[in-house]
Amino acid sequence: AQKITQTQPGMFVQEKEAVTLDCTYDTSDPSYGLFWYKQPSSGEMIFLIYQGSYDQQNATEGRYSLNFQKARKSANLVISASQLGDSAMYFCAMREGRNTGNQFYFGTGTSLTVIP
Amino acid sequence: GAVVSQHPSRVICKSGTSVKIECRSLDFQATTMFWYRQFPKQSLMLMATSNEGSKATYEQGVEKDKFLINHASLTLSTLTVTSAHPEDSSFYICSARGARLAGGGDTQYFGPGTRLTVL
Repeated sequence: AQKITQTQPGMFVQEKEAVTLDCTYDTSDPSYGLFWYKQPSSGEMIFLIYQGSYDQQNATEGRYSLNFQKARKSANLVISASQLGDSAMYFCAMREGRNTGNQFYFGTGTSLTVIP
Repeated sequence: GAVVSQHPSRVICKSGTSVKIECRSLDFQATTMFWYRQFPKQSLMLMATSNEGSKATYEQGVEKDKFLINHASLTLSTLTVTSAHPEDSSFYICSARGARLAGGGDTQYFGPGTRLTVL
């Protein structure tokens, strides 16, 4: 089974609008971390936001927030007030267990296009 | 935030040659480094996990004799693609995590990637 599933290969959003990128995960480990990365056309992976499995509150970082629904095993990324510079690939990732050296599992990504 | 560099950013080589890619952690000691491969419009696929001073752990299907990984110091890991062929053309990305990284939980920080083209 896929560890991370991103079901939206491509998304469009009007500038200044909010957009939600979906991510579901699969793990039996009670301890895990969820991450979102942005990859512009240059290829660099840019860390956006992190959510720990034991965190009580949803993570927020500026215009980025993570809608963490543990029972549904979903970790959707919400980008508010979209900007043209937000156009990029977005990857959801998960690390299982407490060992911070454990590998990341990545989803297949969502291509976001912000329309002026 | 932490900075990870990769060199070169882009390389074009002839089939049969070997190519070395360096991954450096610039402001922290990276106890663990990861090497990923990404084909166009696809996700990152982990190739191997590298711990300083020990042999790399390769993922299933990755040829350890073809993709040589050395993590000789806490700030440097190298990936050598030996006898490269056109099918090895890809985007190679390293990531690192270390003991004193703070903020954003225990995230990994990625290098900018190396685009390899084998003619």
